[in-house]
Amino acid sequence: GQQVMQIPQYQHVQEGEDFTTYCNSSTTLSNIQWYKQRPGGHPVFLIQLVKSGEVKKQKRLTFQFGEAKKNSSLHITATQTTDVGTYFCVEDSNYQLIWGAGTKLIIKP
Amino acid sequence: GAVVSQHPSWVICKSGTSVKIECRSLDFQATTMFWYRQFPKQSLMLMATSNEGSKATYEQGVEKDKFLINHASLTLSTLTVTSAHPEDSSFYICSASRDRNYEQYFGPGTRLTVT
Repeated sequence: GQQVMQIPQYQHVQEGEDFTTYCNSSTTLSNIQWYKQRPGGHPVFLIQLVKSGEVKKQKRLTFQFGEAKKNSSLHITATQTTDVGTYFCVEDSNYQLIWGAGTKLIIKP
Repeated sequence: GAVVSQHPSWVICKSGTSVKIECRSLDFQATTMFWYRQFPKQSLMLMATSNEGSKATYEQGVEKDKFLINHASLTLSTLTVTSAHPEDSSFYICSASRDRNYEQYFGPGTRLTVT
């Protein structure tokens, strides 16, 4: 069936370093949504990308949707401890939601 | 705005009993509600999608008779886990959307423990 591959599974960074997570699909995505889930919490909707080549920013977070609408990325500049959590990409396609496995951002002590 | 609540936040029940979980959209009308299940360190798994006034659409592998979903109004959906067993212990999350193509707002989740 349809799949959204998300990598990496984990990323360890020093506070202040950048972080990026990528999602890829073999099929054209109708849209892509990003969620953040803090440890012990529930996933929080961050953004939805719909247009080919779309780039959206939320403070230190930059979201991109590929020109072919087959990939997307989330980039965090200068990570902070409040960024810790798991970031999920989700495709909302054909009346079903297809979730990436999530990328866990871990700040090294 | 766009707040979704779930009740209860956590529940412990005995094996063989049924548990009902409520999902409410507090400040908007949700034509579509989703129910998820999440195991530790895993992505959320969509269980079913419910539209107000119609039968829920279940994902493959999800037992309809075990996980009863009712979406009787634009602000309330319920998930009933019938004849619960320890393997049903999990984190159940709902989300609500104004329309199928709009963003979802997630509830805080319900932790179910079946003893």
